[in-house]
Amino acid sequence: GAGVSQSPSNKVTEKGKDVELRCDPISGHTALYWYRQSLGQGLEFLIYFQGNSAPDKSGLPSDRFSAERTGGSVSTLTIQRTQQEDSAVYLCASSTALGDYEQYFGPGTRLTVT
Amino acid sequence: GESVGLHLPTLSVQEGDNSIINCAYSNSASDYFIWYKQESGKGPQFIIDIRSNMDKRQGQRVTVLLNKTVKHLSLQIAATQPGDSAVYFCAENMDSNYQLIWGAGTKLIIKP
Repeated sequence: GAGVSQSPSNKVTEKGKDVELRCDPISGHTALYWYRQSLGQGLEFLIYFQGNSAPDKSGLPSDRFSAERTGGSVSTLTIQRTQQEDSAVYLCASSTALGDYEQYFGPGTRLTVT
Repeated sequence: GESVGLHLPTLSVQEGDNSIINCAYSNSASDYFIWYKQESGKGPQFIIDIRSNMDKRQGQRVTVLLNKTVKHLSLQIAATQPGDSAVYFCAENMDSNYQLIWGAGTKLIIKP
């Protein structure tokens, strides 16, 4: 079946604008994860969902970041009032269940804030 | 704070030789370790995992070794091929939460 997809693949935005990043997980995967990866760096965990619920939002870098998941499937990560330091690749992953760390990643969204 | 890190940022290996990628971790409470491979422009791909009650696990052409005494994890790739060129990340987890803590990555370069 289809893997994890993310859109857009690239996004260039002006500082101060809001952006919305989308993730379509593998069908049937109940767990979904968002990460941020800066150039040449490892992955920074942002948030996870079990179904539609995100019990721990402490990984989000600031209150400008929010995420939601509806219908246990598609998830959106929203960044309000973008700053240049938000520039990074945002990766989404899904797994069959929480605690299954064989995560399947999407190709990422490269966000550039000018 | 707790961290997972790698000894070498870049590793160059002759095609056909074995590759060994190392990772140090500092959280003695971590009980699950994973290696991921990330090719250029793609998301990470799961390679192999190991629980803390094991010291070795083998997959297809890959072996992960865990030394809890010195908090060291390694990934061995046998007969390295051009398709193995990627950045390799180790990650750790404690069963008490659902976050993976990722190392900085090692870039593996295959010389023809």
